[in-house]
Amino acid sequence: QVQLVQSGAEVKKPGASVKISCKTSGYTFTGYYIQWVRQAPGQGLEWMGRINPSGGGTNYAQNFQGRVTMTRDTSINTAYMDLNSLRSDDTAVYYCTRSDDRSGLNWFDPWGQGTLVTVSS
Amino acid sequence: QSALTQPASVSGSPGQSITISCTGTSSDVGYYNLVSWYQQHPGKAPKLMIYDVNKRPSGISSRFSGSKSGNTASLTISGLQAEDEADYYCCSFVGSSTSIYVFGTGSKVTVL
Repeated sequence: QVQLVQSGAEVKKPGASVKISCKTSGYTFTGYYIQWVRQAPGQGLEWMGRINPSGGGTNYAQNFQGRVTMTRDTSINTAYMDLNSLRSDDTAVYYCTRSDDRSGLNWFDPWGQGTLVTVSS
Repeated sequence: QSALTQPASVSGSPGQSITISCTGTSSDVGYYNLVSWYQQHPGKAPKLMIYDVNKRPSGISSRFSGSKSGNTASLTISGLQAEDEADYYCCSFVGSSTSIYVFGTGSKVTVL
């Protein structure tokens, strides 16, 4: 079955960077986009950006432009999300999820289990 | 890109029907038939419930249905059950230079 398994929780200081991994299995990695979504404590979902594992092309939400980098390693079917210059309001659960944007199948399914990033001095 | 607008909370008694609205603009919800809905229980990852406005993925109960009129999409839960108590989020494809997707503000469904 299709699975997205994310790396574990992180605690970072303000100004630092965090890199989260999303290891996929059960499907052709290069056939689907990986999307990244975050959720601050008690808040709603926020779309951060996407990567096309086939060519590595990315699109980032304006709110994260310049601070986020999404990459992938096709040899191990894993996507990564790197967020730098962390602030306290970056404290959130970060999710990866899959979509088939190239085919116009613009929904997210399934989702990773989430990675809690805590930014605190 | 502003978040789509949802009511903060919706409630109903077991067996009743409730409807959650999701209001956007003519550039997102009103333009594309690419609205999806997600259910999220506390401490869990979101789960796809509806895609392309009104389609149900395999395994999702027929009690969940979606629709759209103009710039507003809606999720209806009929025959409300205790297990339906959760947060619900809509999402629309936008495809703009500032954002490809936008989520709704989220609605807490309470089963009385």
